[in-house]
Amino acid sequence: NAGVMQNPRHLVRRRGQEARLRCSPMKGHSHVYWYRQLPEEGLKFMVYLQKENIIDESGMPKERFSAEFPKEGPSILRIQQVVRGDSAAYFCASSPPGDTIYFGEGSWLTVV
Amino acid sequence: EDKVVQSPLSLVVHEGDTVTLNCSYEVTNFRSLLWYKQEKKAPTFLFMLTSSGIEKKSGRLSSILDKKELSSILNITATQTGDSAIYLCAVVTTDSWGKFQFGAGTQVVVTP
Repeated sequence: NAGVMQNPRHLVRRRGQEARLRCSPMKGHSHVYWYRQLPEEGLKFMVYLQKENIIDESGMPKERFSAEFPKEGPSILRIQQVVRGDSAAYFCASSPPGDTIYFGEGSWLTVV
Repeated sequence: EDKVVQSPLSLVVHEGDTVTLNCSYEVTNFRSLLWYKQEKKAPTFLFMLTSSGIEKKSGRLSSILDKKELSSILNITATQTGDSAIYLCAVVTTDSWGKFQFGAGTQVVVTP
């Protein structure tokens, strides 16, 4: 049973470009979560999604960030017009309903 | 405001030593506390604690929750160099599953 799959693992973007991070949950998991880990900081919740629904986006920055989990395909975290402060590790996690969450390997975004 | 505080922030021990990590929390509608191990990549699930006073054990690792004291400890006995990692504590509430609130972590370094 494959774990949570994230890609790309490393992404470099120039300021102003778009970053698109993908996450495929573990088989059988219908809930997806995105967390961000800034350098020297802990994991911060961003968004919780089920298929075609955003359940809780209280941790998402109000502008430039969006997330989706379509009926078919992976969940996507999209960051438009990236700035240096967006450089971080972005972790996706998945779970069955109400159970512990399992993390992917992370996507490291560097904005230059 | 909800908060999760871990202590110490870091520690260095010799192989064979025992370490005790602390996590205290102040949240409304507490549901569960989770421990993860992070070694420069995905946080790996260790324990989920919901009931007070019941120890969870896995090999040389064990953890217990004290709901009265709003805290949990993670013990690692007979430490090995492979235990070197950041140990993360996370709390989840009854009204927002998936929105885990993480502490800053404790960095453990085990020297040979």
